[in-house]
Amino acid sequence: KQEVTQIPAALSVPEGENLVLNCSFTDSAIYNLQWFRQDPGKGLTSLLLIQSSQREQTSGRLNASLDKSSGRSTLYIAASQPGDSATYLCAAHGSARQLTFGSGTQLTVLP
Amino acid sequence: DVKVTQSSRYLVKRTGEKVFLECVQDMDHENMFWYRQDPGLGLRLIYFSYDVKMKEKGDIPEGYSVSREKKERFSLILESASTNQTSMYLCASSLPGGLGADTQYFGPGTRLTVL
Repeated sequence: KQEVTQIPAALSVPEGENLVLNCSFTDSAIYNLQWFRQDPGKGLTSLLLIQSSQREQTSGRLNASLDKSSGRSTLYIAASQPGDSATYLCAAHGSARQLTFGSGTQLTVLP
Repeated sequence: DVKVTQSSRYLVKRTGEKVFLECVQDMDHENMFWYRQDPGLGLRLIYFSYDVKMKEKGDIPEGYSVSREKKERFSLILESASTNQTSMYLCASSLPGGLGADTQYFGPGTRLTVL
């Protein structure tokens, strides 16, 4: 059964720093890996989707990479801003159209 | 933009009540999903549906049922609510796209409290 782990559980950085969020998964037979953002008390917003055949995806200040062989993905956020403060979740898309989620990294960007 | 709406943001029910959570999407998506989210446990899939009147169990279907009578609407039913079903419930939808092709779009969530 797929297991997804995100480290660290919480991260606090000063504004302007570049940072990396980590995601690992146990079963490399995935179709894609997705990164989501969740603001307190809200639903999830999709940030990036990396297909299994891709190595990375970029959107603005965000860059996500995928290494299936090692079971790892990273989300890189450049020049962080207070508005980036949220919980970031990764999810591995495996069989039967199911997503398996990590528990998330709670990011706080201090002004 | 895809819009996924859920019938209530907050809901308070009593133990033993029958509870209906409604989800509607406006983008003609085939796939719809119900998750619950709990601190320390993350999001867990309860049920999903990839067509009208089709449903499949997720990881934690016990105590829940679902209904998909129309393509745009997916309902989660708690036949007899219990306190351990207090949680945030999230609905999502996606295009069929074959396996793994498409992003899931989420609703705002319903925070259910069972007293």
